[in-house]
Amino acid sequence: DTGVSQNPRHKITKRGQNVTFRCDPISEHNRLYWYRQTLGQGPEFLTYFQNEAQLEKSRLLSDRFSAERPKGSFSTLEIQRTEQGDSAMYLCASSQGQVSQPQHFGDGTRLSIL
Amino acid sequence: AQSVTQLDSQVPVFEEAPVELRCNYSSSVSVYLFWYVQYPNQGLQLLLKYLSGSTLVESINGFEAEFNKSQTSFHLRKPSVHISDTAEYFCAVSRYRAGGTSYGKLTFGQGTILTVHP
Repeated sequence: DTGVSQNPRHKITKRGQNVTFRCDPISEHNRLYWYRQTLGQGPEFLTYFQNEAQLEKSRLLSDRFSAERPKGSFSTLEIQRTEQGDSAMYLCASSQGQVSQPQHFGDGTRLSIL
Repeated sequence: AQSVTQLDSQVPVFEEAPVELRCNYSSSVSVYLFWYVQYPNQGLQLLLKYLSGSTLVESINGFEAEFNKSQTSFHLRKPSVHISDTAEYFCAVSRYRAGGTSYGKLTFGQGTILTVHP
């Protein structure tokens, strides 16, 4: 069990640029989740996949955000035309999607918008 | 929709003292309950979970939480804390369907920063 891996760990970019984050879940996990965490707050749900299907998206996920999981393995989260308010920690989690299986989190990607 | 309220944003305690971190939730459907711990610049680690059965659940490092359905609470306790317990703790809920498969997403509280002083 190598855990959930997220890259990069830190991303600094100028406002208006596009950024892409990658998440590699635990290999046998069929569910993958994205959350956003701002300073002093708990994580907020963005979206999740079961295998390659995106099953739910939060209203927080504006049309500038897009997530994919093309082969049901790794996932990418892209933010287009970044804004100051996008600065946050982006967390990925995975689970087996069964009743007793909790979500396992990666260490996150911290995005800073200049 | 469900929501989670963690009643204390910060809890300072001395080493070896007992501690309670409070969590209340509201939901119109049945939920699973979780406590996660987060150390600086790291992701969240599962501390313990309540799915069904006994209302008292325990973790391997001495924490316990009790599910109280009538009070819609899931408070976290430890009888004697260590310096290494200093971290931020998050309570979370997840809805589940009648068949038991989780809807998926976790709804988190705002977190409680536990600081253990020597």
